[in-house]
Amino acid sequence: TQLLEQSPQFLSIQEGENLTVYCNSSSVFSSLQWYRQEPGEGPVLLVTVVTGGEVKKLKRLTFQFGDARKDSSLHITAAQPGDTGLYLCAGRVRGNKLVFGAGTILRVKS
Amino acid sequence: NAGVTQTPKFQVLKTGQSMTLQCAQDMNHNSMYWYRQDPGMGLRLIYYSASEGTTDKGEVPNGYNVSRLNKREFSLRLESAAPSQTSVYFCASRIPITGTGVEKLFFGSGTQLSVL
Repeated sequence: TQLLEQSPQFLSIQEGENLTVYCNSSSVFSSLQWYRQEPGEGPVLLVTVVTGGEVKKLKRLTFQFGDARKDSSLHITAAQPGDTGLYLCAGRVRGNKLVFGAGTILRVKS
Repeated sequence: NAGVTQTPKFQVLKTGQSMTLQCAQDMNHNSMYWYRQDPGMGLRLIYYSASEGTTDKGEVPNGYNVSRLNKREFSLRLESAAPSQTSVYFCASRIPITGTGVEKLFFGSGTQLSVL
């Protein structure tokens, strides 16, 4: 059982559409990160959120940390083919352990 | 900047063979990590090194050994490869983000390993 559940597992959309992916857990995280991974490459950090209810924006990407710090969402506005990739969330739990979700594969078709 | 460099990019082994995955970082980071990535499983920590001269087990250490050769290099060794070790392996280094209490991981581009 994954400590961090990501949904959906796979998403295929047309260019210009909006989408949201989710990262959920029953555990409380002291911080949560989102990474993007392209085929044949390692994950690259997009954002870190640390405060319950925190919202961060990175161009067309909006990240939110749940009030109880157990969940997070990533919303992409007007998706572009360059957004294609695997999106991973990673949360730090007690004991300073970093755990990763299994990821959401996003494909944006032009 | 090269960042984190892993070699080889691809490798095919027969069951029982041994090999070493190499990793080097040029960012002067203290902490380095080895992860494996399997479909539907996310990234799982194999071993980590908080500083030169120290190594510790992660979540899935069985069948692996590591060496922190110096501050730059952290290698992962499979002594007797098994099909269950077929995976993509990532090395990473870590730096604290000043004033936040959190850190940033920098990953290499991975090694795709198949054990037949």
